[in-house]
Amino acid sequence: AQSVTQLDSQVPVFEEAPVELRCNYSSSVSVYLFWYVQYPNQGLQLLLKYLSGSTLVKGINGFEAEFNKSQTSFHLRKPSVHISDTAEYFCAVSPVYSGNTPLVFGKGTRLSVIA
Amino acid sequence: DGGITQSPKYLFRKEGQNVTLSCEQNLNHDAMYWYRQDPGQGLRLIYYSQIVNDFQKGDIAEGYSVSREKKESFPLTVTSAQKNPTAFYLCASTNSGANVLTFGAGSRLTVL
Repeated sequence: AQSVTQLDSQVPVFEEAPVELRCNYSSSVSVYLFWYVQYPNQGLQLLLKYLSGSTLVKGINGFEAEFNKSQTSFHLRKPSVHISDTAEYFCAVSPVYSGNTPLVFGKGTRLSVIA
Repeated sequence: DGGITQSPKYLFRKEGQNVTLSCEQNLNHDAMYWYRQDPGQGLRLIYYSQIVNDFQKGDIAEGYSVSREKKESFPLTVTSAQKNPTAFYLCASTNSGANVLTFGAGSRLTVL
């Protein structure tokens, strides 16, 4: 079975500052990794995904994440945040070649961008 | 445009009543999922279906029921047996094999 730990429940950051949202996972098999974003009272939207290949993954809205197999981490970064980045961010994992086995989600990190 | 439609957006229910949340997709996806979201608890899986007329329990299935009679529809019934039903409910679907989920906009259920 897989599990996901998002190390920070809330992250406040000033506008135009860099941010890192941390995600660690546990799995006995190879995994796919995802970051989703949720704006208030909306569904989740895919930010980026790691399936294979380069460990540095670029997504929408200027976000990127790096897969680190030895540290079982998939931290999300943005060099300069905007007010519009205020949202909740979820890390998720699924085993490779699992068909449509449900994703396992972390508990989320609420990013608050301060003007 | 293709997507997932959840209805109603907001729903109020008295204790002891069953309610059904609708989830319809026009993406031709095979697999559909229901998640429950509570503050600080992330998303927890209620039920999922990988093919028509078949579904499996997730981590918190007690007090809920589903059906999958058509590929595009996966309604969720919150029964009176669910002890704490007030929550935000999210429906999702996928067909990619790499589990890239598409989500609906959610339904917020409040028990009065």
